[in-house]
Amino acid sequence: EVQLVQSEAEVKKPGESLKISCKGSGHSLTSYWISWVRQMPGKGLEWMGAMSPTGSDIRYSPSFQGQVTISADKSINTAYLQWSSLKASDTAIYYCSRRREDCSNGICFRYGMDVWGQGTTVTVSS
Amino acid sequence: DIQMTQSPSSLSASVGDRVTITCRASQSIHINLNWYQQKPGKVPNLLIYAASNLQGGVPSRFSGSGSGTDFTLTISSLQPEDFATYYCQQSHGVAWTFGQGTKVE
Repeated sequence: EVQLVQSEAEVKKPGESLKISCKGSGHSLTSYWISWVRQMPGKGLEWMGAMSPTGSDIRYSPSFQGQVTISADKSINTAYLQWSSLKASDTAIYYCSRRREDCSNGICFRYGMDVWGQGTTVTVSS
Repeated sequence: DIQMTQSPSSLSASVGDRVTITCRASQSIHINLNWYQQKPGKVPNLLIYAASNLQGGVPSRFSGSGSGTDFTLTISSLQPEDFATYYCQQSHGVAWTFGQGTKVE
């Protein structure tokens, strides 16, 4: 079965660092864009950033640029989202998702985010 | 940044109703527009990709249309399991963005 399996919930204090993971099962992350999406309590979905299939292109929403880092270890088919210094306002559920893109002669057909991780709840509280 | 504006923010409907949700982009995104459904406490689920393509396994009562800046998600006959929040999302720009969501209740 094709899945994205995320790491367990975390409870952290403000100022602490954190790295959460998203492991592909049944498919290779090197074939997809992997995005991270935040959902704060009772709020909508916010796209944070994404990494290209090759890892050569990592892009961030301006709202999250400099606040988080997206990375991956292709050898273990795992993507990561990390913070160097958490704030209480980082309390949220974080989802990873995959998206396929088919390009030919410079024209790309972009599919939607069809597989999502189960979400990682991050609670930041003193 | 490309901004996505959904309307309405919420709507009240009954089983059997035809429901239409619109999404407007701040600039042309061609057909790079997807629709998702999210139920409380659940993971978002892809319904429509590239503006009008039905994702596998999604009931045919869901349909999408539009291109450029204006898009529509239509539920032809609302079913009890369709009460949820719906989001549009563009993947045209360097930064991808979601609409603010439409709650169908």
